[in-house]
Amino acid sequence: AQKITQTQPGMFVQEKEAVTLDCTYDTSDPSYGLFWYKQPSSGEMIFLIYQGSYDQQNATEGRYSLNFQKARKSANLVISASQLGDSAMYFCAMREGSVAGKSTFGDGTTLTVKP
Amino acid sequence: NAGVTQTPKFQVLKTGQSMTLQCAQDMNHEYMSWYRQDPGMGLRLIHYSVGAGITDQGEVPNGYNVSRSTTEDFPLRLLSAAPSQTSVYFCASSYSMAANYGYTFGSGTRLTVV
Repeated sequence: AQKITQTQPGMFVQEKEAVTLDCTYDTSDPSYGLFWYKQPSSGEMIFLIYQGSYDQQNATEGRYSLNFQKARKSANLVISASQLGDSAMYFCAMREGSVAGKSTFGDGTTLTVKP
Repeated sequence: NAGVTQTPKFQVLKTGQSMTLQCAQDMNHEYMSWYRQDPGMGLRLIHYSVGAGITDQGEVPNGYNVSRSTTEDFPLRLLSAAPSQTSVYFCASSYSMAANYGYTFGSGTRLTVV
């Protein structure tokens, strides 16, 4: 069963505007971690941000923030002040329990930033 | 600090051939994983390791073997290549099962099986 769902195959945003990329997840484990990764057209995978299931506050890393709504099982990525270099594929991922080497990825959202 | 090094970057195999994808990390990370990424899709876990001498299967292990004799190295072996194994393969490592450590990924190996 799909445990991570990213419903937006592609998104467009105007440069300097904010954009939200959606991610919903499914797990029965009370302990889990949620991650976002960026994959530019060059192909490498870059870790952006992490949210733990017991974290009380939403995670933030520079222009990235994670809108964590536990009851709705959603972990949306918000990118503020979009830049042309933000154009990439973005993946949401979940690690259940405490096994760091075992994560499930969504199918990704392609973000295009327009000048 | 090299991070995670994958070799080769590109490989073409004939059906039935075997090969080993190499992965090495120099960050003393306990956890290492192999993923494959098919076009337009996310990453799917093949095998992972929680430390030297300990490996386990992921979502799509068939046709692949792994071993972890040292902390640094985690090679992935394709036993008898099939066209369905055409994909981009990523090796990833992580420091700890605690808190906010995301993966550090290698640059990937693009494998084509003809």
